[in-house]
Amino acid sequence: LAKTTQPISMDSYEGQEVNITCSHNNIATNDYITWYQQFPSQGPRFIIQGYKTKVTNEVASLFIPADRKSSTLSLPRVSLSDTAVYYCLVGASLGDMRFGAGTRLTVKP
Amino acid sequence: DADVTQTPRNRITKTGKRIMLECSQTKGHDRMYWYRQDPGLGLQLIYYSFDVKDINKGEISDGYSVSRQAQAKFSLSLESAIPNQTALYFCATSDSGGQHEQFFGPGTRLTVL
Repeated sequence: LAKTTQPISMDSYEGQEVNITCSHNNIATNDYITWYQQFPSQGPRFIIQGYKTKVTNEVASLFIPADRKSSTLSLPRVSLSDTAVYYCLVGASLGDMRFGAGTRLTVKP
Repeated sequence: DADVTQTPRNRITKTGKRIMLECSQTKGHDRMYWYRQDPGLGLQLIYYSFDVKDINKGEISDGYSVSRQAQAKFSLSLESAIPNQTALYFCATSDSGGQHEQFFGPGTRLTVL
C-alpha cells in the first residue's frame, strides 16, 4: 500500500489560493490519487481524482508531476466554508486506499 | 432522502454488550465499506464488500464482524463491545467503475462505557 505524507495543518485567509501537497514516494503504476474533504462530524466528501498531469473540476485542481511521487491539491479563492480536513489517498482500488491523518485547513477572515 | 443512511445515529452501551450498526443505500452501488474514526484522526477501514458474496477485512477488523444482507444493506457488529471501540463509525458506498468516489453516510457515534 502506498504511504502518503501531508502537512498536519495549514492556515490561509479568505480569497487566497491554497495548495496542499501530498508525498507518495512508493506509488505504484496502477495507483490513482484521490482527495477528500471532511467537515467535523460528517463523512468525507470526494473532491477530485487524477492519475497524471493536471485535473480540474468546479471545486479544485490537482497537479501531478511526471514522476507521480507527489501531488498538489489547489483550492482557488478559499472561503471560511473551506475550513476542513483534507485527505490524500493513493491506490488502485478503494480497498487499497487508506485515510491518513489529513491536513487541517483553517481559513481566516 | 439521503442516499446512504445509518442507524442508529447515536448509541451508548456497556462493555460486553453485542451491538449492531446498520447501513442502507439507495444508490445502487455494488461496493460498501465500514470505517471508524477516532477523535482528531483519519478514518480506518474495518471491512469492505465488493458484492453480496464478497467480504474483505480492512486495517482493523479484530473485534468486528459484518454481514452483507443484500446489495443495499451492510451491517457491522461488535460481538462484545469494549471501551476502546468508542468512536465515530461511517458507512460508505461506491460503484465498481474507475472513479474512486465513495459516498459516506452521516455516521454513528458509539460510546462504550
